[in-house]
This record gives sequence, C-alpha cells and structure tokens, in this order.
Amino acid sequence: DIVMTQTPLSSPVTLGQPASISCRSSQSLVHSDGNTYLSWLQQRPGQPPRLLIYKISNRFSGVPDRFSGSGAGTDFTLKISRVEPEDVGVYYCMQASQFPHTFGQGTKLEIK
Amino acid sequence: QMQLVESGGGVVQPGGSLRLSCAASEFTFRSYAMHWVRQAPGKGLEWVAIISYDGANKYYSDSVRGRFTISRDNSKNTLYLQMNNLRIEDTAVYYCAKRDGDWGQGTLVTVSS
Repeated sequence: DIVMTQTPLSSPVTLGQPASISCRSSQSLVHSDGNTYLSWLQQRPGQPPRLLIYKISNRFSGVPDRFSGSGAGTDFTLKISRVEPEDVGVYYCMQASQFPHTFGQGTKLEIK
Repeated sequence: QMQLVESGGGVVQPGGSLRLSCAASEFTFRSYAMHWVRQAPGKGLEWVAIISYDGANKYYSDSVRGRFTISRDNSKNTLYLQMNNLRIEDTAVYYCAKRDGDWGQGTLVTVSS
C-alpha cells in the first residue's frame, strides 16, 4: 500500500499569513494514464470532509483561490496564501492512483 | 446543488449486518465512480471501497474485503454498502463521495455488544 506522510501534523498560523502543508507518498503517484491522482481535503470541526484540490492542482468548484496545490511524483504541497478564520480544521491528502486508495494522517490548522 | 445523503447507520452487535445507502441528486450519478470512506471516532479518514460508474469494477480496502460489498443502482441514483460480519473496529462515520467531487454528511455505524 502507498503510505502518505503529511508534515506538519499541527500548524498554528496567524490570520492573514500564509500556510503550507506537505504530503509525501511512499511511491510515485503517476498513474499509467499519465494523471497524478493526488487530492487535498478540508474537514472543519464537526463537518464532513470537503474536496479542495484534485489531480495535484485543480481547485474544486467553490474553493477560494487562496488555496493552491502543487507538486509531482512523490512530493506535494497545499498552500493557503492568507489564512482566514474559516480555514481552521484538519487537512488531508489522499492518493487515488493505486488501490487501495490511502490518506495522510491529517494536519490540524489552528489560529495562533 | 449536488447532494449525497447517506442513511442506514445504527447500532449493531458484533457479527451483525447493516446496509448503508447513499442517495444522489442534482448530478448525472450514472456517469461517476463513487467511494465509501469512513472515519472512526476521533481518528482520520480511511478509504473503504470504490465502484466504477457502471458497477462493473469494484475495489476494497484489505480491512473490509470479503465482508463488505459496494453496489449501485443507477436507475435509482443510489449507492450501497452491504456490511456483514461487523466488528467493533468498523465503528465509524461512513461517508459516500463522488470521485473528485462532493461528499455526503455521513452516517454513523456503531458496532457494540
């Protein structure tokens, strides 16, 4: 199984400042079809997960443009350009390039 | 507004069975692969299963293979998860999700004696 490792596990940030979360996979996530199925999800407290980014860098419908994804192969990053109060929650990366699909452990974003 | 609404959760004894449903609306359900993902209390996300748009292909996590069955009825816009021989460690909120898309609100399954 592909292991997804997120860093940091906890990220205290100041409102209005940028934040960055890293996700590393134990194997390349490049699929045989040429796509890389790496997604980022946000889970606010008491809420279900919500898709933010799919295929490394594609923002899902309704996701603010302060969220961006980048990376390739085994190393990926989620960036928030300016953290807002509603960004508090846990962020997960997920790979869907190989079965079984797997998630990172989650990174808790909190306000300083 | 696309909607996914799970139902069928509840309390069941170890060894028991439950069938979860996920009703989809406001999108072309038959065109998309669908997942089940679960989250144990206070824990992270665990992928459970996926089914292709036409139901022809299904994949499972090792922890549920042989006990859970994912299926769909495209005429009813509904996704299912049949869960047999339930274990205490299957206790979780179960979410259905469209591949690269929206997630439902979840349904809680509690396995307890």
